[in-house]
Amino acid sequence: AQTVTQSQPEMSVQEAETVTLSCTYDTSESNYYLFWYKQPPSRQMILVIRQEAYKQQNATENRFSVNFQKAAKSFSLKISDSQLGDTAMYFCAFMKHGGGADGLTFGKGTHLIIQP
Amino acid sequence: GAVVSQHPSRVICKSGTSVKIECRSLDFQATTMFWYRQFPKQSLMLMATSNEGSKATYEQGVEKDKFLINHASLTLSTLTVTSAHPEDSSFYICSAREGEGSGNTIYFGEGSWLTVV
Repeated sequence: AQTVTQSQPEMSVQEAETVTLSCTYDTSESNYYLFWYKQPPSRQMILVIRQEAYKQQNATENRFSVNFQKAAKSFSLKISDSQLGDTAMYFCAFMKHGGGADGLTFGKGTHLIIQP
Repeated sequence: GAVVSQHPSRVICKSGTSVKIECRSLDFQATTMFWYRQFPKQSLMLMATSNEGSKATYEQGVEKDKFLINHASLTLSTLTVTSAHPEDSSFYICSAREGEGSGNTIYFGEGSWLTVV
């Protein structure tokens, strides 16, 4: 079974600052996917970024980037130039490669607050 | 991008009654859908995996006779909470996988708030 750990229950930064959310995971799988999801107060789950474990290059989506360290089983999310709209719960998630019947395993989440 | 629609977004039912929540993939076929439950200020907990044309696979500790899942077509899965009790009140979210050949992208519905009174 997989586990995903987010050790920061809550973080708060000023607008325009850079913030890094941490995530570690444990798995015996060699190939898998990692995700960061954002959940604003509306509760809609929004995919922020995803990383295939077999790719060495860190994924980037505009202001969002990850630092994927496969050997350390670490998958942190960096948000640059943070905006008020980034305030939300952020969940790190794991999924085995090959899909099939396996869903996402989520961490407990980090509540990110962007202060004006 | 792909859209998953969940209905109703909010429902209130009386204790002892049953309530059905629908999850539809609007522009893709989903052979596999997933149902999650989220308690306040907590993470999403996978309840079951819904497979088109076959029985759902339930996670340990989830009562399959209480949470009935039906995946009758490639675009629709339903979750029926039977004989609902106040402790079943929660936020339920479905998700759908956009096929095996598309990088295993998973899309989420908007979620459904269930309140049992």
